[in-house]
Amino acid sequence: DSGVTQTPKHLITATGQRVTLRCSPRSGDLSVYWYQQSLDQGLQFLIQYYNGEERAKGNILERFSAQQFPDLHSELNLSSLELGDSALYFCASSVATANTEAFFGQGTRLTVV
Amino acid sequence: GQQLNQSPQSMFIQEGEDVSMNCTSSSIFNTWLWYKQDPGEGPVLLIALYKAGELTSNGRLTAQFGITRKDSFLNISASIPSDVGIYFCAGQDSGGSNYKLTFGKGTLLTVNP
Repeated sequence: DSGVTQTPKHLITATGQRVTLRCSPRSGDLSVYWYQQSLDQGLQFLIQYYNGEERAKGNILERFSAQQFPDLHSELNLSSLELGDSALYFCASSVATANTEAFFGQGTRLTVV
Repeated sequence: GQQLNQSPQSMFIQEGEDVSMNCTSSSIFNTWLWYKQDPGEGPVLLIALYKAGELTSNGRLTAQFGITRKDSFLNISASIPSDVGIYFCAGQDSGGSNYKLTFGKGTLLTVNP
């Protein structure tokens, strides 16, 4: 158990809909990272938050957004969903200083039908 | 942006054999991490490397941080069936203090009993 909790584990929704994925980081970790994993693209960095503020952005679509709350949990919002958004979405957390590891949650499998 | 080339893409070996996989980068990383992912699970951290030239072991796993800081390798000795999975390298960039991870595309390892 990495200590990073993601909910829900599975999500099936229709095209055009909006979903929210939730992540609780490990105790003491200030930084949360979101990754998307699809079969052909591997693990793609989406966005990072550190202590409530956006710190880095990767290949995140404009239809996607995220936030980190004062209690440090984070939510990833995916809207106007398309079939191609079907993927595993992982959250990772770290202390986010130099030379520290990131630990991953078990992921949310999103299926858009 | 930064790119990681991980090879080989897949390996089929017999139980008991040794395995080697590596990653090369177009740019320098300050930290190299190796993860293993089982189907339907999140990546699990295996080894973290923090200094150029560092050689670190974790049981039957050994990894090295290349001198140039642009490469790393992972060796698995005396493979067993439970070593099956996808192995990912990741480089951590501390530039701009975001510490995000860039992942290789993974090496799929199959071990025949």
